[in-house]
Amino acid sequence: DAGVTQSPTHLIKTRGQQVTLRCSPKSGHDTVSWYQQALGQGPQFIFQYYEEEERQRGNFPDRFSGHQFPNYSSELNVNALLLGDSALYLCASTPWLGTTSGFYEQYFGPGTRLTVT
Amino acid sequence: DAKTTQPTSMDCAEGRAANLPCNHSTISGNEYVYWYRQIHSQGPQYIIHGLKNNETNEMASLIITEDRKSSTLILPHATLRDTAVYYCIGSYNTDKLIFGTGTRLQVFP
Repeated sequence: DAGVTQSPTHLIKTRGQQVTLRCSPKSGHDTVSWYQQALGQGPQFIFQYYEEEERQRGNFPDRFSGHQFPNYSSELNVNALLLGDSALYLCASTPWLGTTSGFYEQYFGPGTRLTVT
Repeated sequence: DAKTTQPTSMDCAEGRAANLPCNHSTISGNEYVYWYRQIHSQGPQYIIHGLKNNETNEMASLIITEDRKSSTLILPHATLRDTAVYYCIGSYNTDKLIFGTGTRLQVFP
């Protein structure tokens, strides 16, 4: 059973450029969330996708956008890169919970290390 | 989401119990306490969660005080592979996790 996979593993970009990161959720999961983890900090929630729509969003500017495909895989796009965007970008997946009570553990991928120079 | 406070770092001898504390004095009645850990160069991994009662699974035990203002994660027999950053999260949202800076646990031989 494949877990969450992310590509690429590492990426180096220049300020002002655009970047696209990719995530495939764990088999059987249809909800994907993205997190940004700066060095020495805990992961920060960016947004969540379900049924190809953004369902929740954290405190991130519009430069951060995403997409989910019919096969549940997802992309994170960051425009006009800043030095401060250098971080580990993590993707997590779960089955959709919606408004029902309950718990699903989030399965995280290994992340994409983005360096902006 | 509840604000959580954890020690920055802790040490534990291999084979001994590791007790990781977490303060969450502002936690509300319907917010769970979640614990995740992140081993170096990997994504976070779920450990355990609870609401009011103490919980145990194959990885760890979670002890929550009666007033729910604090909790302790217990790894009963720590191994070198348990060296990681441990995050305590107080949240109703099971799928929008608000991480702090966590506790860096170093298990030594």
